[in-house]
Order: sequence, then structure tokens, then C-alpha cells
Amino acid sequence: AQKVTQAQTEISVVEKEDVTLDCVYETRDTTYYLFWYKQPPSGELVFLIRRNSFDEQNEISGRYSWNFQKSTSSFNFTITASQVVDSAVYFCALSEASGGGADGLTFGKGTHLIIQP
Amino acid sequence: DAGVIQSPRHEVTEMGQEVTLRCKPISGHNSLFWYRQTMMRGLELLIYFNNNVPIDDSGMPEDRFSAKMPNASFSTLKIQPSEPRDSAVYFCASTLGRGSSYNEQFFGPGTRLTVL
Repeated sequence: AQKVTQAQTEISVVEKEDVTLDCVYETRDTTYYLFWYKQPPSGELVFLIRRNSFDEQNEISGRYSWNFQKSTSSFNFTITASQVVDSAVYFCALSEASGGGADGLTFGKGTHLIIQP
Repeated sequence: DAGVIQSPRHEVTEMGQEVTLRCKPISGHNSLFWYRQTMMRGLELLIYFNNNVPIDDSGMPEDRFSAKMPNASFSTLKIQPSEPRDSAVYFCASTLGRGSSYNEQFFGPGTRLTVL
């Protein structure tokens, strides 16, 4: 069975600080996908990134960066120079690849990030 | 593109009533998912379809829940009879089941269901 753990329930930082959100996953498959989603106070779920299990390259998109380490089964998310607009709940998710089409996501419990001005 | 469309956005009903939630996926997407979000259980997958065929409904809580996808542009999630514990936000998502965008799931705005 697959599982995603986000141990940090809530993080509060002051604007412009860097912050890292942790994600640890469990799966028996060798082929799988990892995701991050953002849920702002308005409630919608916004796709941020997808990585497959064969690509361990770190990725940077503006102030966002992701660190994927298979050795520790982690897929951490860092926001550099945080802004108040980054305040949201962030979800890490995992899907296995059945080969027969898309698969459902298993979500972590989410980390509530509060950026104080 | 209009994105994933869900209706209604809010639903308040009384225990025992039938509830039908609707979803229109993004045009061209061939996979559709229903998720439920509650404070206690977080985000959980209920059921998903590939090419209109139900693939995995193991997340459906019980027989009171049913889902259909009669064509590529429409799906319903029905609860009958509804119970207060069904109160949650129900999300629909869609994605391509192939290619470079494989399984990048795009979510609708959700339906907030309250069962009194």
C-alpha cells in the first residue's frame, strides 16, 4: 500500500524567510509519480509539480524548488523569500503507474503554511 | 480552456435525501477522478474512470455512494440516502492518461455538501 506523510501540520514564518515543507512517501512500485498541490484559503487545489521516479533532478521554478531523493523516499518543497500570498495548505501526493492509464492520487494530510507580514 | 466544472458549488440537504454532484472534465482528458475532503480524513480518492470505464471504486465508502460516467464530458456522483457524516467537499479532477502530461490532475472548484 502507498502512503504519504507530511509530518509538519503547520508552519509559521515571517515574510522573506525561506521555508521547507517535508514529504516522505512509501510505495512498493519502482515506477511512480510524486506531486505537490497548493490549496489557498479560497479552497481550490492548484497543481504545482509532478516528478516521476526515474528523474531525481531537482527542479526550480521561480521561488519554488523541489528536492527528490529516492534514497530517503523524500520529495521536499522549498519556498525561497516567502511572501504572504504563499500562505496556503500544501499537499504532497503519490500515484503509482499501472500502465493502463492514469491512477488516483494518495495525498498526505497537508502542511498549513502561514506567512506573517 | 474552461477547466474542470462542478455543480452545484454548494449543496445543503437533509438526512435521507438523494444528492447528485456533477462534473464536466477538461475537454480531451480521458481520466476522471472523484475525491472527498474532510477535516478528519483529509483528501481521499473515491473512484476514478479511464475512458469512461470505472477502474477503482475501492474508496467509495459504502453502497449509498454511486458514480457514473455516461460519456467523456460528464460524470455524476450520487449519494442516496445522504447522512450527516457525508458532509464534505467533493472534488472532481481530470487528466490525460498518457503523454508528457501523464496524470497531472486538474481539479474543479469542489462542491461543498452539508447534510443536516
